[in-house]
Amino acid sequence: KAGVTQTPRYLIKTRGQQVTLSCSPISGHRSVSWYQQTPGQGLQFLFEYFSETQRNKGNFPGRFSGRQFSNSRSEMNVSTLELGDSALYLCASSPEPAGVNSGANVLTFGAGSRLTVL
Amino acid sequence: AQKITQTQPGMFVQEKEAVTLDCTYDTSDQSYGLFWYKQPSSGEMIFLIYQGSYDEQNATEGRYSLNFQKARKSANLVISASQLGDSAMYFCAMREGTGGGADGLTFGKGTHLIIQP
Repeated sequence: KAGVTQTPRYLIKTRGQQVTLSCSPISGHRSVSWYQQTPGQGLQFLFEYFSETQRNKGNFPGRFSGRQFSNSRSEMNVSTLELGDSALYLCASSPEPAGVNSGANVLTFGAGSRLTVL
Repeated sequence: AQKITQTQPGMFVQEKEAVTLDCTYDTSDQSYGLFWYKQPSSGEMIFLIYQGSYDEQNATEGRYSLNFQKARKSANLVISASQLGDSAMYFCAMREGTGGGADGLTFGKGTHLIIQP
């Protein structure tokens, strides 16, 4: 069973550009979440999608957006890139959205997309 | 205030010894979930163990166990018989809920564990 696949694995952009990252969840998983990891801020929740709808959103500016397609694949977009957007962007999938107090639907993460903004 | 606190930035442990990674959390919710993830240098986050706030028994998964002390808001990870392959970053995380739905995971800053032969 293939894991969570993220593309591209590495990319370099310049300030002001935009970037689109892709995530293919595990087959049968319908919920996709995105996280940003930086040395300074650590791991931070970006958003969660289920059935093509955004269910939750973290505390990020509107430059960060995402979407989910009918096949559960997801993309996230960052517009007008800033130096501080340099990070490892992690995608995670689960069969269903996780309940608060439930061990079911644990997140399975991909290897991440490492974005460098120059 | 930080929601998840991991007080050990780095740890060195001899192979085959047991190791305890500390995690304290802060929440006013009665219903929440606690997780531990491992992140090797490759970057992929690997799920280790889960503990629900209503679970009365400590969670165990193979060599991993979670020492859950609810009154102290503590959820320490215990790795028995450590192996060289256990060397990695370890993150404690919490899921809370607002309005009946579950929020994204809140992670601690992590502990860098190095197992020495």
